[in-house]
Amino acid sequence: QPVLTQPPSASASLGASVTLTCTLNSDYNTYKVDWYQQRPGKGPRFVMRVGTGGLVGSKGAGIPDRFSVLSSGLNRSLIIKNIQEEDESDYYCGADHGSGSTFVWLFGGGTKLTVL
Amino acid sequence: QVQLIESGGDLVKPGGSLRLSCATSGFKFSDSYMSWVRQAPGKGLEWISLISTRGNTIYYADSVKGRFTISRDNAKNSLCLQMNGLRVEDTAVYYCARMPSEAPHWGQGTLVTVSS
Repeated sequence: QPVLTQPPSASASLGASVTLTCTLNSDYNTYKVDWYQQRPGKGPRFVMRVGTGGLVGSKGAGIPDRFSVLSSGLNRSLIIKNIQEEDESDYYCGADHGSGSTFVWLFGGGTKLTVL
Repeated sequence: QVQLIESGGDLVKPGGSLRLSCATSGFKFSDSYMSWVRQAPGKGLEWISLISTRGNTIYYADSVKGRFTISRDNAKNSLCLQMNGLRVEDTAVYYCARMPSEAPHWGQGTLVTVSS
């Protein structure tokens, strides 16, 4: 089954840009990945889905244009431009994997984004 | 406006049982796959169960298989999770989620604490 690897932390200054990466293991290089934002004390919020060609479908409700995705090799990245204070959150990537009679939805360990 | 509201979380002793509910509105519940995802204190996200639109296909994570039962009532737009044989390691915030979906949505969660 796929493994999704995220760095535990990232930081960026107000107004700057940051790229958050989610790396798939090599056998699952065609998989799509969902990105979720989780603010402190809140439930996760869908940001957008990224496949091998980039954005898949629509962004989540209320997600600003500052958020975009990029796909390269095993990486499914979330890019945030002109970072604002409200972007300080935990960000998780997730992917589903079905094989025969089994199904599992896996998440990366999450990246805590700090806005400086 | 899409809403998912979980309830039923409580403090329970090891070996005990609890039933979580999720009331939904704002989307076509009967056409949506639904999942439960949990998050232990200070930890990442863990998917635990999925149910198909009519409830005829169900999957569980190995960590809860044989102890938890997911169900849905399409007439009432509601999702349930019956949890038996609770363990200390089941302590978490439990989220109801419309996923997998083209437009995933999550609730705000309900806290389950398993402690003697």
